[in-house]
Amino acid sequence: DAGVTQSPTHLIKTRGQQVTLRCSPKSGHDTVSWYQQALGQGPQFIFQYYEEEERQRGNFPDRFSGHQFPNYSSELNVNALLLGDSALYLCASCIRDNSYEQYFGPGTRLTVT
Amino acid sequence: GQSLEQPSEVTAVEGAIVQINCTYQTSGFYGLSWYQQHDGGAPTFLSYNALDGLEETGRFSSFLSRSDSYGYLLLQELQMKDSASYFCAVRMDSSYKLIFGSGTRLLVRP
Repeated sequence: DAGVTQSPTHLIKTRGQQVTLRCSPKSGHDTVSWYQQALGQGPQFIFQYYEEEERQRGNFPDRFSGHQFPNYSSELNVNALLLGDSALYLCASCIRDNSYEQYFGPGTRLTVT
Repeated sequence: GQSLEQPSEVTAVEGAIVQINCTYQTSGFYGLSWYQQHDGGAPTFLSYNALDGLEETGRFSSFLSRSDSYGYLLLQELQMKDSASYFCAVRMDSSYKLIFGSGTRLLVRP
């Protein structure tokens, strides 16, 4: 049973560029959430997708956008990258209303220079 | 605003018992989850409390007191592999997101 997978593992971008991160949820899961985790901090909720729609959003600017596909996989897009966007980006999946029990992927380490 | 407080670091000896506390202030509360994260790894789900009381899962137990806005994670028979960061996370009413604390770094010594 495949768990949550994310790609790429690491990414280095320059300020002002755009980036797309990808996530495949755990088999049987239909809901995907994205989190940003700075070093030494807890994950911060970016948004959650269910049935291909953004169901809830955290306190992140519109530069952060996402998408969910019919097969439940998801993308996170970040435009106009800032140095402060450097972080570990985690994707988590769960079954619809069981958001208390989320399964996290290994993350994408984004470095903005 | 929403806030969760946990100790930043805890040190314990192999074989001992350690308790990691979490207090929260949120507008609405649905339940408290605990996650473990090893350095360089992904957070993994440990336990969930929606009702007051103790939930036991092997060596790990989690407790919740809704009236005190307080919970804790209890780790028994500590092993070296338990050295990791532990996060409490709150799900609020009518919300799907999890709000995470800043985490407690547990160091288990031989």
